[in-house]
Amino acid sequence: AQRVTQPEKLLSVFKGAPVELKCNYSYSGSPELFWYVQYSRQRLQLLLRHISRESIKGFTADLNKGETSFHLKKPFAQEEDSAMYYCALRTGTASKLTFGTGTRLQVTL
Amino acid sequence: GAGVSQSPSNKVTEKGKDVELRCDPISGHTALYWYRQSLGQGLEFLIYFQGNSAPDKSGLPSDRFSAERTGGSVSTLTIQRTQQEDSAVYLCASSTQRLNTEAFFGQGTRLTVV
Repeated sequence: AQRVTQPEKLLSVFKGAPVELKCNYSYSGSPELFWYVQYSRQRLQLLLRHISRESIKGFTADLNKGETSFHLKKPFAQEEDSAMYYCALRTGTASKLTFGTGTRLQVTL
Repeated sequence: GAGVSQSPSNKVTEKGKDVELRCDPISGHTALYWYRQSLGQGLEFLIYFQGNSAPDKSGLPSDRFSAERTGGSVSTLTIQRTQQEDSAVYLCASSTQRLNTEAFFGQGTRLTVV
């Protein structure tokens, strides 16, 4: 069964510091991987997906199949990045979307 | 509507009562998901629909929980004989079945059992 692990419940960094939110998954095939974000009092929304290889709000994530990881990175954290971040996995077009337990990112001055 | 709509936004109920939570997905989305978000916890998967059938209901915590989907559209999550530990935000999401498509979330229903 697919599984997503986010080892950190809370990550606190200073403004301007680099950020790395960890995500590991278990699945032997070719997964679809996503990062979702939930800002305070807003609904959960997609941040980025691995297939797009894009940078959104300065965030990037690279799929490493050897390490089964999909860590989210940003070189310089901003206050507005403070939110709850969820890594998610889907294993095919007919399968459910599985989320990790989430990491709360707190960016302080 | 433009997005996933859930009703009610807030529900306060007495312990032991039954509640129904509703989700209106985005039109044309065949996949529908229910999750639970408790204070300090992550997203707990409850059930997944493909069309009207539920190939995965492994996350339903007990037989007090049930869900149905009709017409490939609206879904209802029912909790019978509510308990205080059922208090949480219940989130619904929908998506197409195309590869790498995102899931769109509703604003959630905050359920409080007193």
